[in-house]
Amino acid sequence: ETGVTQTPRHLVMGMTNKKSLKCEQHLGHNAMYWYKQSAKKPLELMFVYSLEERVENNSVPSRFSPECPNSSHLFLHLHTLQPEDSALYLCASSQEGVGNYGYTFGSGTRLTVV
Amino acid sequence: AQTVTQSQPEMSVQEAETVTLSCTYDTSESDYYLFWYKQPPSRQMILVIRQEAYKQQNATENRFSVNFQKAAKSFSLKISDSQLGDAAMYFCAYRSAPGSNYKLTFGKGTLLTVNP
Repeated sequence: ETGVTQTPRHLVMGMTNKKSLKCEQHLGHNAMYWYKQSAKKPLELMFVYSLEERVENNSVPSRFSPECPNSSHLFLHLHTLQPEDSALYLCASSQEGVGNYGYTFGSGTRLTVV
Repeated sequence: AQTVTQSQPEMSVQEAETVTLSCTYDTSESDYYLFWYKQPPSRQMILVIRQEAYKQQNATENRFSVNFQKAAKSFSLKISDSQLGDAAMYFCAYRSAPGSNYKLTFGKGTLLTVNP
């Protein structure tokens, strides 16, 4: 399998649930990202990991907890979410240091909080 | 902070014709990268074309080309010979030159409809 794979594709969760989003990249990239895409708003950068170290956290609420166990995998752990957290969550990767510096994206997880 | 503005929320084009999507950005940096991404209903963001700010020549990828006006901070996308498969949301994006800033800043997008 190639590219960036995200699971699950759809997720419905209650406000008291705990769930995790998974992202896997097969491109040998050294940086990974979580973005949030809401209707009528620009994509919002949430977290950046470079070489498995978190290098950016854009004032994201603590109910979102990222984890990067290795350079190929990225998780977003969710707990006690709010209805306004319903959105499309996109994972991306890039090769920093060389290359064209664009991101390769996954197909996203559509999250609905009820 | 950098900002990216796409002033056309929606555009439509007839199949086989040409359409231009607008993008302007605001930055104080002299070295940066600009991108156009396409997001079809499948939701995956696909890189269409990129431009390095230090290059004066406009980038071209098959039917897609850009008009990069650095002084005006404008980066429009031209799609020639439009096809039904071009229908999607198009996002313009900005990124600082490689260094410590990894962030890709997006505009709000333009929804392109292609009419048969």
